[in-house]
Amino acid sequence: AQTVTQSQPEMSVQEAETVTLSCTYDTSESNYYLFWYKQPPSRQMILVIRQEAYKQQNATENRFSVNFQKAAKSFSLKISDSQLGDTAMYFCAFMTGDTGRRALTFGSGTRLQVQP
Amino acid sequence: NAGVTQTPKFQVLKTGQSMTLQCAQDMNHNSMYWYRQDPGMGLRLIYYSASEGTTDKGEVPNGYNVSRLNKREFSLRLESAAPSQTSVYFCASSRNRGSGNTIYFGEGSWLTVV
Repeated sequence: AQTVTQSQPEMSVQEAETVTLSCTYDTSESNYYLFWYKQPPSRQMILVIRQEAYKQQNATENRFSVNFQKAAKSFSLKISDSQLGDTAMYFCAFMTGDTGRRALTFGSGTRLQVQP
Repeated sequence: NAGVTQTPKFQVLKTGQSMTLQCAQDMNHNSMYWYRQDPGMGLRLIYYSASEGTTDKGEVPNGYNVSRLNKREFSLRLESAAPSQTSVYFCASSRNRGSGNTIYFGEGSWLTVV
């Protein structure tokens, strides 16, 4: 079974600065997908960014980018120019490439507070 | 766009009561999921349905049953609610074809068992 570990329960960053959230995972599979989801106080789960394991290029979405290190099984999220609206829980998640078993396995989350 | 719709949003149950959480998606997705989220934790998979007519247990299936009624609907039933089932429940869906694997979530259902 896959496991996802987020070792930073809480982080704080000043508005406009950059912050990096860490995630490591364990799997024996070679084909898989990785995701970062944001959960604001409303509890809505919002997709931030996704990465296909077969792609060497790191995914980017506006102010959000990842550092995907496949050999190290590491998948960190960098938020640039942090905004107050980025305050939320952030979950790293793993998905197998097997279409018959495609469900997300989540880490325990990192609570990010953006300070004005 | 409705996306994934769950009902009810809030429910209080007494221990031993039964209830069904309803979920429907309007994105013509093949796969549907039920997750639960306990305080301070990530989401854990209860059951999923890879396609219409199939269901499989996830990480925490005990105490729950599911029905994939048709392609659109996937319900979760608690036959005899227990306080340990107090949680926020999320339904989700995905196309699950090729690279179409992004999972979209409903807004959550807050369930309290007293």
